[in-house]
Amino acid sequence: SQQGEEDPQALSIQEGENATMNCSYKTSINNLQWYRQNSGRGLVHLILIRSNEREKHSGRLRVTLDTSKKSSSLLITASRAADTASYFCAPNAGNNRKLIWGLGTSLAVNP
Amino acid sequence: DAGVIQSPRHEVTEMGQEVTLRCKPISGHNSLFWYRQTMMRGLELLIYFNNNVPIDDSGMPEDRFSAKMPNASFSTLKIQPSEPRDSAVYFCASSPTGPGPQHFGDGTRLSIL
Repeated sequence: SQQGEEDPQALSIQEGENATMNCSYKTSINNLQWYRQNSGRGLVHLILIRSNEREKHSGRLRVTLDTSKKSSSLLITASRAADTASYFCAPNAGNNRKLIWGLGTSLAVNP
Repeated sequence: DAGVIQSPRHEVTEMGQEVTLRCKPISGHNSLFWYRQTMMRGLELLIYFNNNVPIDDSGMPEDRFSAKMPNASFSTLKIQPSEPRDSAVYFCASSPTGPGPQHFGDGTRLSIL
């Protein structure tokens, strides 16, 4: 299975703290994508990291990828209450467009 | 730019009824995906189209589910007859060429009584 599995399932932090979420997968990948889902809304693409990349930044987001360990992490620095959402990783294993999803990490940022 | 548009946003109906969910992808995107999300199973891919052609429908749960994409700007997901276990949020997503980011609609929350 290509399924991304996020860890932890739930995370609660205070505003201003950093939040780290991890993802593991089982097969070789083409790229790995991270998405956010606010309550009652669709998923929003955050960042894509290719298999030949080790780290990528976008604003307060930092994503790392270790293909030897088949794992990735998403770091949100200086968290805000508006970051409260579920976060999903989605490995992409081939030239097709199919992504297989885990159950996500539910992040609560307390003011 | 308009994003992926889904309708209706909410649907409540009795079991046995036919349900039709609609999706308008982002203009220029040539791939379209239908997903189902539940608390227990998470986000499941039901079917995806490339250039209006179904590529992979292995996630469609059973023959009661069918999906069509008659043109590049419209797709439907139909459930007939509906059952209470079909209750979920159904998402449509589209993406441009290549295994890149998918753009999601806000989903249809379906309740089958």
